[in-house]
Amino acid sequence: DQQVKQNSPSLSVQEGRISILNCDYTNSMFDYFLWYKKYPAEGPTFLISISSIKDKNEDGRFTVFLNKSAKHLSLHIVPSQPGDSAVYFCAARRSGGTSYGKLTFGQGTILTVHP
Amino acid sequence: ETGVTQTPRHLVMGMTNKKSLKCEQHLGHNAMYWYKQSAKKPLELMFVYNFKEQTENNSVPSRFSPECPNSSHLFLHLHTLQPEDSALYLCASSLAQGLSYEQYFGPGTRLTVT
Repeated sequence: DQQVKQNSPSLSVQEGRISILNCDYTNSMFDYFLWYKKYPAEGPTFLISISSIKDKNEDGRFTVFLNKSAKHLSLHIVPSQPGDSAVYFCAARRSGGTSYGKLTFGQGTILTVHP
Repeated sequence: ETGVTQTPRHLVMGMTNKKSLKCEQHLGHNAMYWYKQSAKKPLELMFVYNFKEQTENNSVPSRFSPECPNSSHLFLHLHTLQPEDSALYLCASSLAQGLSYEQYFGPGTRLTVT
């Protein structure tokens, strides 16, 4: 049972345009959501996050939107740059129970930004 | 050294070998994690240590044996692995389990079991 899903394995975008990466989740116990970026031969690096009490968080070119009723979050990158080409992972953190604080990851979306 | 380091970066081992993966964090964190990433699959949490105590074993086969001698070091001892254990093994750390949000990852060890 995959509780965090990224249904698009890949996304190709022209430089300067908007990239939109999507993530869906099923567990209502998630209280915090994170996006990680991973280049080949490197570990994932933290990019941006959002608490479940908010619906938007912005950091420079990166904005994360959360729709709790739809259990959906998205990452917007504007404008997209070739250096943004990487694998993007969505992750969700549990708020309680025996797995408090545990992160559950999606399977990742490969973003390619063409010059 | 800064951040989270992992050695070796690449490892090829036979099914009868015994090897160990090492992780070290220089961030002053108290929680450390092992994840497995197989091709086209989500990162799978394997083990969690909080203040050197194991708090989670995510139904990992006993051929994987973790060790956490202190809050800065984490090992994964491997023995009699199977070819399907070939994957990228990632170590991560955070302030403390349940008290922090972001986890910081090392570069991973690419393991191939022949």
